[in-house]
Amino acid sequence: GAGVSQTPSNKVTEKGKYVELRCDPISGHTALYWYRQSLGQGPEFLIYFQGTGAADDSGLPNDRFFAVRPEGSVSTLKIQRTERGDSAVYLCASSTTSIDTQYFGPGTRLTVL
Amino acid sequence: LAKTTQPISMDSYEGQEVNITCSHNNIATNDYITWYQQFPSQGPRFIIQGYKTKVTNEVASLFIPADRKSSTLSLPRVSLSDTAVYYCLVEPGGSYIPTFGRGTSLIVHP
Repeated sequence: GAGVSQTPSNKVTEKGKYVELRCDPISGHTALYWYRQSLGQGPEFLIYFQGTGAADDSGLPNDRFFAVRPEGSVSTLKIQRTERGDSAVYLCASSTTSIDTQYFGPGTRLTVL
Repeated sequence: LAKTTQPISMDSYEGQEVNITCSHNNIATNDYITWYQQFPSQGPRFIIQGYKTKVTNEVASLFIPADRKSSTLSLPRVSLSDTAVYYCLVEPGGSYIPTFGRGTSLIVHP
């Protein structure tokens, strides 16, 4: 079946703009995760959803970052007033349950000019 | 969380066996050792997990000595397509947030 998909694959925006990044998890996976990966670093946890609710958002760097998963499937990561330091690859992963293997998507490369 | 140390980069040639060692001196009793592989422009992929001794699957083997203070990921007869970053993680059982370090960048040459 289809894996985790993320759109867009690349996003270029200007400093101060608002962006939305979308994640389509594997069908039936109740757990969904967002990570951010900077060049030369490993992925860094941002937020974890169990169903529709954010079970752990301790990794969100500040209140400009927000994520939703209204129907327990697709999730959107929203970044307000983007800054150049937000430039990174944003990865989404899903799993059957919270302790099962996570399957990652290909990521969205965000560039803030 | 147990801190891990692994080489920043390694080079190998097609057909060789590659061993990547990860040090985790302060591993806790309930910690598991997990390795992920990440190809360019893709997300990480789980490849193997172990607690002690040896684990083998179709992709790799994982060797863990009795004191569990290190582990070695072994890739038999690598090919160019094994060029990737390999991450060693040490996590408590039941942890749902893998903590990635910088990983080891493996380059396989023809």
